[in-house]
Amino acid sequence: DGGITQSPKYLFRKEGQNVTLSCEQNLNHDAMYWYRQDPGQGLRLIYYSQIVNDFQKGDIAEGYSVSREKKESFPLTVTSAQKNPTAFYLCASSTGTGENSPLHFGNGTRLTVT
Amino acid sequence: AQKITQTQPGMFVQEKEAVTLDCTYDTSDQSYGLFWYKQPSSGEMIFLIYQGSYDEQNATEGRYSLNFQKARKSANLVISASQLGDSAMYFCAMREGRSGYSTLTFGKGTMLLVSP
Repeated sequence: DGGITQSPKYLFRKEGQNVTLSCEQNLNHDAMYWYRQDPGQGLRLIYYSQIVNDFQKGDIAEGYSVSREKKESFPLTVTSAQKNPTAFYLCASSTGTGENSPLHFGNGTRLTVT
Repeated sequence: AQKITQTQPGMFVQEKEAVTLDCTYDTSDQSYGLFWYKQPSSGEMIFLIYQGSYDEQNATEGRYSLNFQKARKSANLVISASQLGDSAMYFCAMREGRSGYSTLTFGKGTMLLVSP
């Protein structure tokens, strides 16, 4: 079955450590996105990529980095510069072929930094 | 200013009744699209329904329909015949412009609880 896989589901890290969240899709989608979700805040865009080897900052990119070396993969690194990294992280992809093309989401990674 | 506003933090409805979840949006683009997603407690985001700014008919998908009032900039989700499995967070989102690559901006969500 095609879909988006985020791993791991739960991740625990000590403050000051960088951590990388995995996102893989086998939907052959061109566009991929990372969102962050905090309680009562909805989803906020961190980074997105429309094609391989290209990506753009979203609304809250500070303290995060991404790469897009393969179409299928869009890993997100939460750096020690991110002041409040504990959150639920959602990866999404889209065909980008039409204005009505929805985002397809993975099941998310819940990151806890102590 | 917020682009997507969902004014109802929580809603309660009895099983088999209909419920309306409110969403207002703010954009100066003529072309835009509105999406609704459902997020159960497990966390995944499930796409429910889409309405384009040029669509003259309100979108419908099974028990979901969208009450689109362009002049009021509102795109309310109507769930008919609520089921216990409808209990979840619901998010309204907007894509501005006509490119399918454009990002979605989400509202803060409404928690719906369906009681027996």
